[in-house]
Amino acid sequence: AQSVTQLDSQVPVFEEAPVELRCNYSSSVSVYLFWYVQYPNQGLQLLLKYLSGSTLVKGINGFEAEFNKSQTSFHLRKPSVHISDTAEYFCAVRRSGYSTLTFGKGTMLLVSP
Amino acid sequence: GAGVSQSPRYKVAKRGQDVALRCDPISGHVSLFWYQQALGQGPEFLTYFQNEAQLDKSGLPSDRFFAERPEGSVSTLKIQRTQQEDSAVYLCASSPRQGMGVEDGYTFGSGTRLTVV
Repeated sequence: AQSVTQLDSQVPVFEEAPVELRCNYSSSVSVYLFWYVQYPNQGLQLLLKYLSGSTLVKGINGFEAEFNKSQTSFHLRKPSVHISDTAEYFCAVRRSGYSTLTFGKGTMLLVSP
Repeated sequence: GAGVSQSPRYKVAKRGQDVALRCDPISGHVSLFWYQQALGQGPEFLTYFQNEAQLDKSGLPSDRFFAERPEGSVSTLKIQRTQQEDSAVYLCASSPRQGMGVEDGYTFGSGTRLTVV
């Protein structure tokens, strides 16, 4: 079975500062990795995904993430955040050959002026 | 429709009451998933349909939970004799492809927030 650990429940940051949201996973088999964002009272929106190939993936809204197989990590980064980036961010893993997603507990990104 | 639609958006149920939550997936989407998101937690898998076939229901927490998708489009999640621990947001997601080898993240609906009092 796989699991996903998001080490920070909340990350406060000032507008225009860089941010990194951490995600570690455990799985003994090949996995696909995803980051989702959830705005208040809304569903989950896909930010980016790693399926194969280049370990640095770019997503929407200026976010990017790097897959590190040796450290089993998939940290999300943005060089300069906006107030509108305030939301809950979820890391998720899908095991190769299976359809279901396993989510972390989420990290609340709080951007202040 | 343009997205995944869930109704109702909010539901308050008295303990012991039965509830039915509806999901309208994107037209033509083959795969449909239900997830449960408790307060302060990430979504947890409940069940998965490919067309009308329920291929995986391993995440349903008890036999009080039942899901169906009789015509391969709209799905209903039914919870019988609701308990306080059933309070959560129930998310539906759909995908155009079959389960194995799905490469896209799914499209999620906005969820139904169930509060059992």
